[in-house]
Amino acid sequence: QVQLQESGPGLVKPSETLSLACAVSGYSIRSGYYWGWVRQHPGKGLEWIATIDYTGDTYYHPSHKSRVTISVDTSKNQFSLKLNSVTAADTAIYYCARWGGIANGRKFDYWGQGTLVTVSS
Amino acid sequence: QSALTQPASVSGSPGQSITISCTGTRSDVGGYNYVSWYQQHPGKAPKLMIFDVTNRPSGVSTRFSGSKSGNTASLTISGLQTDDEADYYCSSYTSSGTLVVFGGGTKLTVL
Repeated sequence: QVQLQESGPGLVKPSETLSLACAVSGYSIRSGYYWGWVRQHPGKGLEWIATIDYTGDTYYHPSHKSRVTISVDTSKNQFSLKLNSVTAADTAIYYCARWGGIANGRKFDYWGQGTLVTVSS
Repeated sequence: QSALTQPASVSGSPGQSITISCTGTRSDVGGYNYVSWYQQHPGKAPKLMIFDVTNRPSGVSTRFSGSKSGNTASLTISGLQTDDEADYYCSSYTSSGTLVVFGGGTKLTVL
């Protein structure tokens, strides 16, 4: 069974960098699929942020492209998100998820439980 | 404003059927058969219910079905149960610059 688990600080100061990791178990990242981050502002809808595939190709939402970096660490079987220069508007629940892509269907089939990140001084 | 348009809320009684619409453009819903639907209970992660417009993942009840006509996709839930009360989000692959777009979500109330 594929499982994803987010980790990272729950509180980040304005203008600093939000850093999250997503540990994957039950599947080797290097075997395929795409891996992404989706966030949800409190009481709001889902917003795709970024995705990386098993070869390292990255895809970013244009609204966040200048501030976001997604990366993969195959040795730890995890992938990470960095969001620079955060503001209160970045306060949200951040989910990591597996995306099928071209070969396995364009759908998020497995999700982490989500982690709440609050931006506040 | 979300890229895909969903009604904010729908409601139904146990045993009834409801349909949630999801309207996009030719760059997403209308152009590809890559619409998926997610169910989200309060405080929980989204759960994939429908993918590729009409397909159900293993373990998802046959009461959930999907369809598409033009730029609008639909999720139908038949035989409503109290546990179906949740938020539902549609999503689509898009060629318009982002990889994925979501709808704003629809709150389903089972009366």
